[in-house]
Amino acid sequence: EVHLVESGGGLVQPGGSLRLSCAASGFTFSSYTINWVRQAPGKGLEWVSYISSGSNTIYYADSVKGRFTISRDNAKNSVYLQMNSLRAEDTAVYYCARGYYDTSGYSHFDYWGQGTLVTVSS
Amino acid sequence: DIQMTQSPSSLSASIGDRVTITCRASQSISSHLNWYQQKPGKAPKLLIYAASSLQSGVPSRFSGSGSGTDFTLTISSLQPEDFAIFYCQQSSITPYTFGQGTKLEIK
Repeated sequence: EVHLVESGGGLVQPGGSLRLSCAASGFTFSSYTINWVRQAPGKGLEWVSYISSGSNTIYYADSVKGRFTISRDNAKNSVYLQMNSLRAEDTAVYYCARGYYDTSGYSHFDYWGQGTLVTVSS
Repeated sequence: DIQMTQSPSSLSASIGDRVTITCRASQSISSHLNWYQQKPGKAPKLLIYAASSLQSGVPSRFSGSGSGTDFTLTISSLQPEDFAIFYCQQSSITPYTFGQGTKLEIK
């Protein structure tokens, strides 16, 4: 069974840093892309970042570009999100989600973790 | 960036009703459109991918249609467990934008 488990969230002051982890199990991790998606309290979903299976391709939302860094360790079945220069508007539940590409080239997020809450406040 | 606009933003319906939610993309995305359901305190769950393909394990009362810029999610006969927030998402090009959500409530 596919599982994604996020960790590393917590309370951090504005300007601070935090590193989120996403631990995967139940599938061949090195064959799949991973995305981070966040949801501010009471708000909708916002895609944050993407990393390809071999880390060759990485994308970021403009709102986090230059401050967040995504990486993965296929030997540890894990993806990370290093978040620096945190702002109040980064407060959200952060989800990691597995990306799946079908034979026609269409992609979707088929499995999600339970999320980890990041609160940026003084 | 591609903007995704859902309508309505909220909807009240009764058990057994047929419900349709619309999602419009600001430019053509072919069939790169997914639908997710989110219940309070839970992660989103994939319902429909590639505009009209039903995710494994999702009840057949859920269906999706459309291509280009206009898409719909239909629930043929509402069940008590269907009340939630629904999001569309385009996966054509990054940033992979979501619609603002449609909250489906019990009438």
